[in-house]
Amino acid sequence: NSKVIQTPRYLVKGQGQKAKMRCIPEKGHPVVFWYQQNKNNEFKFLINFQNQEVLQQIDMTEKRFSAECPSNSPCSLEIQSSEAGDSALYLCASRGQGATGNTLYFGEGSRLIVV
Amino acid sequence: GDKVKQSPSALSLQEGTNSALRCNFSIAATTVQWFLQNPRGSLINLFYLVPGTKENGRLKSTFNSKESYSTLHIRDAQLEDSGTYFCAPYQGGRALIFGTGTTVSVSP
Repeated sequence: NSKVIQTPRYLVKGQGQKAKMRCIPEKGHPVVFWYQQNKNNEFKFLINFQNQEVLQQIDMTEKRFSAECPSNSPCSLEIQSSEAGDSALYLCASRGQGATGNTLYFGEGSRLIVV
Repeated sequence: GDKVKQSPSALSLQEGTNSALRCNFSIAATTVQWFLQNPRGSLINLFYLVPGTKENGRLKSTFNSKESYSTLHIRDAQLEDSGTYFCAPYQGGRALIFGTGTTVSVSP
């Protein structure tokens, strides 16, 4: 169904450590999203890109996360200093443009556990 | 969460039965997507809807933009239909807004 590739599938970090996740969007998709899904199944939009440019991000992302989508390299999302509340499933999604451009395709996610 | 409400929150089905999931939202959505999240965490695309109805195999979904709701019907439920179903309306702007999901458990 989806060709969005996320790595790693799982990562375990201590509080205060950096946590970095990567995403290769589906080929030809210029728009990339990151979402955080908590244990209560709530989705929080974090940031999105069009090509290499940030389109939108929430305050938390701006202050505590570092994210980029360089050309010819995977997109990445990095928490600079992990907190217990960051434990969640981090989902990357991409979409194309044109008539079906709004259909969002998700990767399998990176599950972060902060101990 | 508050803008998109899904019901029921959980559903137990016997194989072969039919059911309907509901998604009500308080935003003026232009499109709606439905996803199934399997136990591995993967979000599988089920439908991308403009106002109207689509059918795919045993699944059928309707989006009523005037009354701000969408439904997902499961016909002849199978074990592989188990998982959590999310609706995600899009109102313009940048991001989809997700509901809190309906967890479906299909038993033999």
